[in-house]
Formats: sequence, structure tokens, C-alpha cells
Amino acid sequence: EVQLVESGGGLVQPGGSLRLSCAASGFTFSSYAMSWVRQAPGKGLEWVSAISGSGGSTYYADSVKGRFTISRDNSKNTLYLQMNSLRAEDTAVYYCAKGINWNPAKGYFDYWGQGTLVTVSS
Amino acid sequence: DIVMTQTPLSLSVTPGQPASISCKSSQSLLHSDGKTYLYWYLQKPGQSPQLLIYEVSSRFSGVPDRFSGSGSGTDFTLKISRVEAEDVGVYYCMQGIHLRTFGQGTKVEIK
Repeated sequence: EVQLVESGGGLVQPGGSLRLSCAASGFTFSSYAMSWVRQAPGKGLEWVSAISGSGGSTYYADSVKGRFTISRDNSKNTLYLQMNSLRAEDTAVYYCAKGINWNPAKGYFDYWGQGTLVTVSS
Repeated sequence: DIVMTQTPLSLSVTPGQPASISCKSSQSLLHSDGKTYLYWYLQKPGQSPQLLIYEVSSRFSGVPDRFSGSGSGTDFTLKISRVEAEDVGVYYCMQGIHLRTFGQGTKVEIK
């Protein structure tokens, strides 16, 4: 059974940093691209970032480029999102999502985690 | 960037009646590999999104056959043949031909 469990969310001040983690199980982690998708309170879904199965290719939404860094540790079956220079508009539930193959730039997500809430406020 | 536009944004349906949601993309989602990169998700209240339909019309594992998808190029439709109480939530279309973009979402409620 595929499981994705996010952690690391919390309250952080504007300009601060936070690192999210997503622990994966139930599939061969290194064979699949992974993404982060966020949802601001009461709003729709916004794709944030994606990484290839090997970790060699990464992509970012313009809204987070230069501030967020996606990475993965395939030995630990874990996906990360380092978030720096956080802004109030980054407040959202952050979901990790599994791709259907190694390619991070195309395709869909077949499984999602339960999400972790990030609140950026003073 | 590819823009995804859903209509309507909300829908109130009597149980047992059909429902239909439209999704239009600003660019064709047909790739040279022959696949059309259009998907549908349902986010039930308090839950994570779940995949319903991939590549326009293929139902994901476990999805009831009352859900169907159709369309081509830039115009797509999700249909529920007979809405049930468990179908309430927000439906999103998503393009996956160039990174990812979601539609605004369509909230479906039961009358």
C-alpha cells in the first residue's frame, strides 16, 4: 500500500524558513518523480515543485522560484521542501504527491499525502 | 503558462441525477506521444485530493463507473451519471503536459 506522510509544518514568521518532509512507503521510491502541491485556506490547488526519481532534475512554480528547494534522499525514501524567505501568501496546506514515472515535468499524481499546514504570520 | 478554466464553479445536484463539469485549457493538451495530458481529481471535505480520471477518459483503480471523462485538444468534460451523496466535494481538472496547472475547482453539493 502506497503511503505518503508529510511533516514539518508549523507557524513561522515572515522571512523565516521551514523544511517539510514526506516519508514514502509501499513503492520503489527512487523510480518515481515526486511533487509538492499546496492549498491556501479555502482556495484551490497550486503545484509548487517537482523532482525526478534520481533527484537530478527539479522544477519550480514561478511563485516560489529562488526561495524554495526540493530535494530527496532515496536511501531514506524521503522527499523534502526547504522553504526560505517565507511570505504570508505561502500559508497553505502542503501535500506531497507521487508521480507515475521518473519524469517530473509531465504526467499526473496517483497518490497524495494527508498534507501539513504551514502558517506564515507574525 | 497553461491556464485551466472550469465551469461551473458550483453545482447543486439531486441524488440520482446526472452532473457535468467542463474544463478548458489555453493550449492543446495533446502531446506528440499520442497521449492527452488531462486529469480529474476529487477532493472530498477534509481530505486530500484523489485521482478519478487520467488521460481524459481512463478511470483510476476503484473509481465507480458512474464517473466518465471525455474531450480532446482543449475542451474536456467530467460526467457523473447518477450523483450519490459520497460524491460531494470539489472537483479539479489538471493539465500535465507542461509542469502542472489546476482548474479553479467545481464544488458539488447535494440538494
